Amino acid sequence: DTGVSQNPRHKITKRGQNVTFRCDPISEHNRLYWYRQTLGQGPEFLTYFQNEAQLEKSRLLSDRFSAERPKGSFSTLEIQRTEQGDSAMYLCASSSMGEKLFFGSGTQLSVL
Amino acid sequence: GENVEQHPSTLSVQEGDSAVIKCTYSDSASNYFPWYKQELGKRPQLIIDIRSNVGEKKDQRIAVTLNKTAKHFSLHITETQPEDSAVYFCAHGGSQGNLIFGKGTKLSVKP
Repeated sequence: DTGVSQNPRHKITKRGQNVTFRCDPISEHNRLYWYRQTLGQGPEFLTYFQNEAQLEKSRLLSDRFSAERPKGSFSTLEIQRTEQGDSAMYLCASSSMGEKLFFGSGTQLSVL
Repeated sequence: GENVEQHPSTLSVQEGDSAVIKCTYSDSASNYFPWYKQELGKRPQLIIDIRSNVGEKKDQRIAVTLNKTAKHFSLHITETQPEDSAVYFCAHGGSQGNLIFGKGTKLSVKP
């Protein structure tokens, strides 16, 4: 399967803990995006990379969130000191030059 | 100026009828308008997209129209089938950056 791959599929954590998610994009895609989706809402943009450069971050992205794409391939999204309001589906998507985003299946985060 | 409004939030139609979902955006720099379908518990999947230099695009039972002057675009599904039941999201963006998504329309097609 050459689609976008995300791990883990589910993550349950206690408030205050740190969590890290991984995304492996479609191999020839140079752009990688992170979105957050809560129940009944559309995906909300968090940040995106072109190759290894992080080009844009949403105002929604607090200082507790950090994303990296060190070699321009896979990416990680870390949330420090998780809060209950962080509970959501975290979606990764990739594209070739900014169009036709292809999404992964997401990581469902539950903060207890 | 990046928001997109999507209507209706829910839509119920009889199998075989047409369904229309409308979105309005405010960013005049937007030039790319995709539509995504998301079934329960699954990832959003691109079903059709249109660029700002085109007014209409069709793919079998699905069509999208764009009115750039009025800043609105619509998804049309004809001859609906039960498997069309899902949440549909419009989005808009420019080639430089990210996509902004609407809040979604839950379409139910009754057999």
